[in-house]
Amino acid sequence: GAVVSQHPSRVICKSGTSVKIECRSLDFQATTMFWYRQFPKQSLMLMATSNEGSKATYEQGVEKDKFLINHASLTLSTLTVTSAHPEDSSFYICSASWDIPRENTIYFGEGSWLTVV
Amino acid sequence: QQQVKQSPQSLIVQKGGISIINCAYENTAFDYFPWYQQFPGKGPALLIAIRPDVSEKKEGRFTISFNKSAKQFSLHIMDSQPGDSATYFCAASLAGGTSYGKLTFGQGTILTVHP
Repeated sequence: GAVVSQHPSRVICKSGTSVKIECRSLDFQATTMFWYRQFPKQSLMLMATSNEGSKATYEQGVEKDKFLINHASLTLSTLTVTSAHPEDSSFYICSASWDIPRENTIYFGEGSWLTVV
Repeated sequence: QQQVKQSPQSLIVQKGGISIINCAYENTAFDYFPWYQQFPGKGPALLIAIRPDVSEKKEGRFTISFNKSAKQFSLHIMDSQPGDSATYFCAASLAGGTSYGKLTFGQGTILTVHP
């Protein structure tokens, strides 16, 4: 079964509004989660690293004030797209990892389709 | 230096054939090399992964070959099946704590297996 769950799987919002996407690790505590963005027929691009109890680390070119990331607990990270615009329409995917020596594995959520109209 | 280059962009294989996808990287500090399979509208699913201390890893029909000196690694899918039709991504990440979770992805290969 899925070890990382995302919600919602699909969301449509009006331009100018904000939308929140949740990422939960189901079977383990994830001190670190990652948020990716994927446009149709393209690869996954890392947006930010979400650290429990501290501020997220954003990749170059990603607007911190637009993509708010909160990692409130060891099993939940949220991505809020603020003042969404049509160009923010994309597939957002989170991943979570745990650090077991030599057995490091990263699992991805099912993704969330955001459509801004 | 963080780039991972993947080829081919698309691949068509007959059922029962071997699918081969290649990736090359520049950053010698990369320590973890996974391959992911992604179906349309779904998140990527881990297929198989390798670390640079081994040259080959096999799991079922999937094999990773790793050439550290050439900074290349490849995925071989034996006895390819129509159900294998998907997009495949190679990726790489750095060693150290949870840095391995910070993946750099290749561009992806769309695999089509004809029955």
